[in-house]
Amino acid sequence: NAGVTQTPKFQVLKTGQSMTLQCAQDMNHEYMSWYRQDPGMGLRLIHYSVGAGITDQGEVPNGYNVSRSTTEDFPLRLLSAAPSQTSVYFCASSYSAGEIYNEQFFGPGTRLTVL
Amino acid sequence: GDSVTQMEGPVTLSEEAFLTINCTYTATGYPSLFWYVQYPGEGLQLLLKATKADDKGSNKGFEATYRKETTSFHLEKGSVQVSDSAVYFCALSDRDDMRFGAGTRLTVKP
Repeated sequence: NAGVTQTPKFQVLKTGQSMTLQCAQDMNHEYMSWYRQDPGMGLRLIHYSVGAGITDQGEVPNGYNVSRSTTEDFPLRLLSAAPSQTSVYFCASSYSAGEIYNEQFFGPGTRLTVL
Repeated sequence: GDSVTQMEGPVTLSEEAFLTINCTYTATGYPSLFWYVQYPGEGLQLLLKATKADDKGSNKGFEATYRKETTSFHLEKGSVQVSDSAVYFCALSDRDDMRFGAGTRLTVKP
């Protein structure tokens, strides 16, 4: 199993550009989520999904869109990048929303810089 | 809303020293509590967890006890190694989301 994979590993954008961060998991997990990690602030939840076709907002959703058309994939879209979105982004998954009580599996992260 | 507060770092210890990283939480329900570890350049990995009051989570020599009366989940290890150098995150989970502390960077020197 590859686990949770994320692409790209690094990305530099100009203000106003759009892009999609990719996330995939091969563990047949129902629950997937996106976090951003900023210095001194830990990880903050952006969006999450409890299954294909279902998404919901987390703590800091503004400026980001998600969709979940398959169990395996959960892309994160930045429609118009801003410098405040410079961060490290982590995708995570767990077997089900109830299993978040047990463990989330994290991808290696995408480091995004917006100039 | 739910939140986690953990001890600010960085923490620097000598090998074989005793480690404590404090973590307290605020929650309206009955959350599960976690410690995650992040090694340089990697994502987070679950270190240990506790799902109810008085539970003790343990792994790789690390321990933490879920204390409902003090709303705490402090991480301890009796003898740290250089390989324990990493960032440690306390987290809680209630229903569909997870809240993380700011992280504590630990450096262990030989």
